[in-house]
Amino acid sequence: RKEVEQDPGPFNVPEGATVAFNCTYSNSASQSFFWYRQDCRKEPKLLMSVYSSGNEDGRFTAQLNRASQYISLLIRDSKLSDSATYLCVVSGNEKLTFGTGTRLTIIP
Amino acid sequence: DTEVTQTPKHLVMGMTNKKSLKCEQHMGHRAMYWYKQKAKKPPELMFVYSYEKLSINESVPSRFSPECPNSSLLNLHLHALQPEDSALYLCASSQAKKGFGYTFGSGTRLTVV
Repeated sequence: RKEVEQDPGPFNVPEGATVAFNCTYSNSASQSFFWYRQDCRKEPKLLMSVYSSGNEDGRFTAQLNRASQYISLLIRDSKLSDSATYLCVVSGNEKLTFGTGTRLTIIP
Repeated sequence: DTEVTQTPKHLVMGMTNKKSLKCEQHMGHRAMYWYKQKAKKPPELMFVYSYEKLSINESVPSRFSPECPNSSLLNLHLHALQPEDSALYLCASSQAKKGFGYTFGSGTRLTVV
């Protein structure tokens, strides 16, 4: 079983729609959780940290369920500029472990 | 300065060459990392330096040799690479504290011929 699992997609979503990504992780000792965004041929960039209480940043909402070892990301009112690969990332023991990423394309 | 700077951006090298990748950050981060990313795959950890000491080597072949001259610099020395080592090499840094994400450089795109 992979340490961090995501649906690879692709997700093709019309502009303005809401899209949700899910992720599970296997190491219950994991300490910190993040969503990163990676554009084609670019480096990963931190989108947001994820907390058990849930956190929101504009159109983006992230949620962590430690009991189920499950992380989610919700994007509301999607924009063309949201097209990218979204990476679920888990931190522990000095290293980040990446999920395989979910490819999102927003369609005009 | 909130950036991680990597040089060169692109590198083509032969299998008998020796080259080095360089990474620099001035955010006071005490942990620095090398990741390797193949096309359509997530980044894979290679090395971790914590407080200028090598703390993790993910069983990377010895043809890759990391070096951390000081807290702001991280190098990756390359020697006798194989074509399958062609990839995007990403450097990252972090505060090495729980809850803090990593900042990645823009990477070096390496092609081994």
